[in-house]
Amino acid sequence: RKEVEQDPGPFNVPEGATVAFNCTYSNSASQSFFWYRQDCRKEPKLLMSVYSSGNEDGRFTAQLNRASQYISLLIRDSKLSDSATYLCVVNFNDMRFGAGTRLTVKP
Amino acid sequence: DAGVIQSPRHEVTEMGQEVTLRCKPISGHDYLFWYRQTMMRGLELLIYFNNNVPIDDSGMPEDRFSAKMPNASFSTLKIQPSEPRDSAVYFCASNYGRTEAFFGQGTRLTVV
Repeated sequence: RKEVEQDPGPFNVPEGATVAFNCTYSNSASQSFFWYRQDCRKEPKLLMSVYSSGNEDGRFTAQLNRASQYISLLIRDSKLSDSATYLCVVNFNDMRFGAGTRLTVKP
Repeated sequence: DAGVIQSPRHEVTEMGQEVTLRCKPISGHDYLFWYRQTMMRGLELLIYFNNNVPIDDSGMPEDRFSAKMPNASFSTLKIQPSEPRDSAVYFCASNYGRTEAFFGQGTRLTVV
């Protein structure tokens, strides 16, 4: 079993749609959680950290469920510029990445 | 800070040659990670260091791969001998504790 598993995707949505990504992890001792965004042929960059209480940054909402070992990312009112690959990341000293979910937002 | 710096950005080499990839982490960061990314396998953690000491190299594919971190500001990933299946983008990243990791721009390796 992979340490971090993500929805396989790809997701193709129209502008203005709401889209949700999910991710599960196997190490219950994991300490910190993140969502990264990766554009084509670029390095991954932090989108947002994920806190136990859930957190929001504009159109983006991240949630963590430690009991179910599950994190999620919700994007509301999607824009063309949101098209990218989204990777969930779980940290227990190391930084383990999910395989990523490709999102394409279409006009 | 200039961020994580990797070199070279692109490398094309012939099968059987030695390849050395270089990384300078962000000053003050105590963790350094080497990743390999391919379409088929995604972003794989190869090895990581804490305070210059290798902690987990279980992701290193085979003995042809080796990594060193002689000091806090420099790390290398070496492939000897290289094979076509090693073609990938190799990323270096660093962080402090369990905070977000910052990535270099990557080295695109092509082995022909």
